[in-house]
Amino acid sequence: QKEVEQNSGPLSVPEGAIASLNCTYSDRGSQSFFWYRQYSGKSPELIMSIYSNGDKEDGRFTAQLNKASQYVSLLIRDSQPSDSATYLCAGKNFGNEKLTFGTGTRLTIIP
Amino acid sequence: DVKVTQSSRYLVKRTGEKVFLECVQDMDHENMFWYRQDPGLGLRLIYFSYDVKMKEKGDIPEGYSVSREKKERFSLILESASTNQTSMYLCASRTEGTDTQYFGPGTRLTVL
Repeated sequence: QKEVEQNSGPLSVPEGAIASLNCTYSDRGSQSFFWYRQYSGKSPELIMSIYSNGDKEDGRFTAQLNKASQYVSLLIRDSQPSDSATYLCAGKNFGNEKLTFGTGTRLTIIP
Repeated sequence: DVKVTQSSRYLVKRTGEKVFLECVQDMDHENMFWYRQDPGLGLRLIYFSYDVKMKEKGDIPEGYSVSREKKERFSLILESASTNQTSMYLCASRTEGTDTQYFGPGTRLTVL
């Protein structure tokens, strides 16, 4: 079992709708979680980080963390074609410098 | 703006060659990382360095070595390239104690 798992997609969402991206993790020692966006042919860039249970909002993006269920999600409201990318979920243990990445979910926003 | 640069965008090498991939960051970051990215396998950590001359193995260090003689530069070395090392290689850097990793543009290496 991979430590961080994501559905590879592709996930297709109409423009203006809410895109929901999900990630599960197996290591209960994971404390911090990150969502990176990677456009085709480009390198990943950090868009959200979350450290405690609950929701964290930043503009159109909301990250959700449920440590009891070992589940992290990213919601994108009012999806735009420019949101079409692969989204990578990553987890990190406290005191450990390493990030463990999932394989990514490819999101396509349909105009 | 943080800038992480990598020496080549595309590289073609032959089996058995020694390959050097260079990464330079201009933000005085202590931590630097080398990943490879393959379809279906995601980003996997090869090596990281938390300071000059300090290095630690990641999840897949076999067949690779690294060098960090100066703070801004982190090199990945393939001592004897093999076809299964054909991949996208990404370098990243980060300030000690923070979580944001800044990635370079990547080097697509093909080993024939």
